[in-house]
Amino acid sequence: AQSVSQHNHHVILSEAASLELGCNYSYGGTVNLFWYVQYPGQHLQLLLKYFSGDPLVKGIKGFEAEFIKSKFSFNLRKPSVQWSDTAEYFCAALMHTGGGNKLTFGTGTQLKVEL
Amino acid sequence: EPEVTQTPSHQVTQMGQEVILRCVPISNHLYFYWYRQILGQKVEFLVSFYNNEISEKSEIFDDQFSVERPDGSNFTLKIRSTKLEDSAMYFCASSVRYEQYFGPGTRLTVT
Repeated sequence: AQSVSQHNHHVILSEAASLELGCNYSYGGTVNLFWYVQYPGQHLQLLLKYFSGDPLVKGIKGFEAEFIKSKFSFNLRKPSVQWSDTAEYFCAALMHTGGGNKLTFGTGTQLKVEL
Repeated sequence: EPEVTQTPSHQVTQMGQEVILRCVPISNHLYFYWYRQILGQKVEFLVSFYNNEISEKSEIFDDQFSVERPDGSNFTLKIRSTKLEDSAMYFCASSVRYEQYFGPGTRLTVT
């Protein structure tokens, strides 16, 4: 079955540290990949997306992600995190199986940035 | 910036009761979705809706669930007879095609 896995469930970093959150998906066909962020008490917001083309995609708030097809991965990175990046981060995949555009989510990574 | 809105933000209901969760998708969007997240678990797809019919549903979306777009703006999820295990955060989303925008969610508590 198609699935998305996120390796880190809880990450604690100091401000200015670099961030990398892992995401892998299992599907051999066409896939669109997304990272969503959920700040405390707020709804899911799209951080960035990959559809095609340049595998390095840049999103909002200085985040970027790299699609590596051979590794089925779409890791999220930020060179220098801020306290305001404290949130839960979800990787999601839209695997084109001929269905209705459903997103398959990973379990999420809770990021805490300490001052 | 247009947003997906959901009402109510929190609904408490007794087991066996019917609930209707409401969503107003972004106005020019064509695809509509419901997802849920049980506390401590991942966000799970329930159903997608396009052109006034269900385009895909998960195994969770059994006969107790139904969706409707009763007018040009609302999109509803009905749970006919709630169970304790239906307690979750329910998210509505909409898209023009693939990029989905999520609402703030309705927390459903079944007692």
